Amino acid sequence: ILNVEQSPQSLHVQEGDSTNFTCSFPSSNFYALHWYRWETAKSPEALFVMTLNGDEKKKGRISATLNTKEGYSYLYIKGSQPEDSATYLCARRGGSNYKLTFGKGTLLTVNP
Amino acid sequence: DVKVTQSSRYLVKRTGEKVFLECVQDMDHENMFWYRQDPGLGLRLIYFSYDVKMKEKGDIPEGYSVSREKKERFSLILESASTNQTSMYLCASSLRQGGNEQYFGPGTRLTVT
Repeated sequence: ILNVEQSPQSLHVQEGDSTNFTCSFPSSNFYALHWYRWETAKSPEALFVMTLNGDEKKKGRISATLNTKEGYSYLYIKGSQPEDSATYLCARRGGSNYKLTFGKGTLLTVNP
Repeated sequence: DVKVTQSSRYLVKRTGEKVFLECVQDMDHENMFWYRQDPGLGLRLIYFSYDVKMKEKGDIPEGYSVSREKKERFSLILESASTNQTSMYLCASSLRQGGNEQYFGPGTRLTVT
């Protein structure tokens, strides 16, 4: 995988559903994986930064896992709420360079 | 709280004009970045800077230049604006150490007519 890929592109769920999406990235020369939430008319906001294989991070109802050997990360949202509606971006940092390569995002819509 | 501000939320310029987009951060971050966001393409890095007067090209630097004379300010310059530079421009900053999560400004929607 040369680019950072996110799936699905978009997702509609009902309030209360749990959901998850995937970020796939090149596993070679890996340094860190970032997740951001971008709500409409707001700035992207950092959710997690993960560096170690097997890392799991949690913030409220949102959690993320990381597999650096196979090059993927999952983001989970438990009991989705309408305020979780946003585009979720993942970004890979390789090596000592500060650059992030972003995926195209997963647009989540939570219907009340 | 980290604050990243951008000089304009909306900007309309004519083809051929020189355009300056300004970004200021108030948390003494060493790194600053300029991205553009286009539908279906995601966030793409134009330029970044890891110190005053230092800059590095990102993935799509053509048609752009940058200036970082002070640590808190990072300017994006469109030397001669073209219609294909119509886009949303986002500035971000981060610490050099630690998690390096980026803090984003509110964005500038630039339309070049």
